[in-house]
Amino acid sequence: GAVVSQHPSRVICKSGTSVKIECRSLDFQATTMFWYRQFPKQSLMLMATSNEGSKATYEQGVEKDKFLINHASLTLSTLTVTSAHPEDSSFYICSARGEGRSGLGQPQHFGDGTRLSIL
Amino acid sequence: GQQLNQSPQSMFIQEGEDVSMNCTSSSIFNTWLWYKQDPGEGPVLLIALYKAGELTSNGRLTAQFGITRKDSFLNISASIPSDVGIYFCAGQYPGGGSNYKLTFGKGTLLTVNP
Repeated sequence: GAVVSQHPSRVICKSGTSVKIECRSLDFQATTMFWYRQFPKQSLMLMATSNEGSKATYEQGVEKDKFLINHASLTLSTLTVTSAHPEDSSFYICSARGEGRSGLGQPQHFGDGTRLSIL
Repeated sequence: GQQLNQSPQSMFIQEGEDVSMNCTSSSIFNTWLWYKQDPGEGPVLLIALYKAGELTSNGRLTAQFGITRKDSFLNISASIPSDVGIYFCAGQYPGGGSNYKLTFGKGTLLTVNP
């Protein structure tokens, strides 16, 4: 099955640090990648959608200057949390989807998430 | 925006029992997906449904895409301890213009007592 690798799995850093999270599709080309944030005991909240080679589309209320997304290739997207503060502490999860041969969309496959803790 | 109502919110069952959970929507979807999430990990796709009325199985799991395209259910038969986790339904908006964004239910927390 489709595999999505997310790295690092856990980050603990000081307030003011910028943190980069990588999301890679290992066995398929991801035309679209998504970044989610999940608070404890809650569902996934979509932050942004990115297509390879174009600017990400951010959901309402998500600061694009705080959460920088780059989707430079069909297998790699990165999320950079700039000048992170304690309120940015959360579980961040990426997902990726490719295109089926018939042109129909494929389901999103998720990475294992990154636990970000800002001290 | 579209909303998904997932129920039940949590379930406590004995090993060997069957489980059923469902999601309903105020709007239609063209795809329904069911995911399972273990603590500290990302969701894992269990079943994907693409056609209204479709009934699909994956081992002990069975899911159906409602004929109205506004609902879906997931059944787990003969539950085992490793079925413990949070199950999410997700609906995908019709058309590709929305970049195939998913709307997630709030999840069903399943606990299986050995």
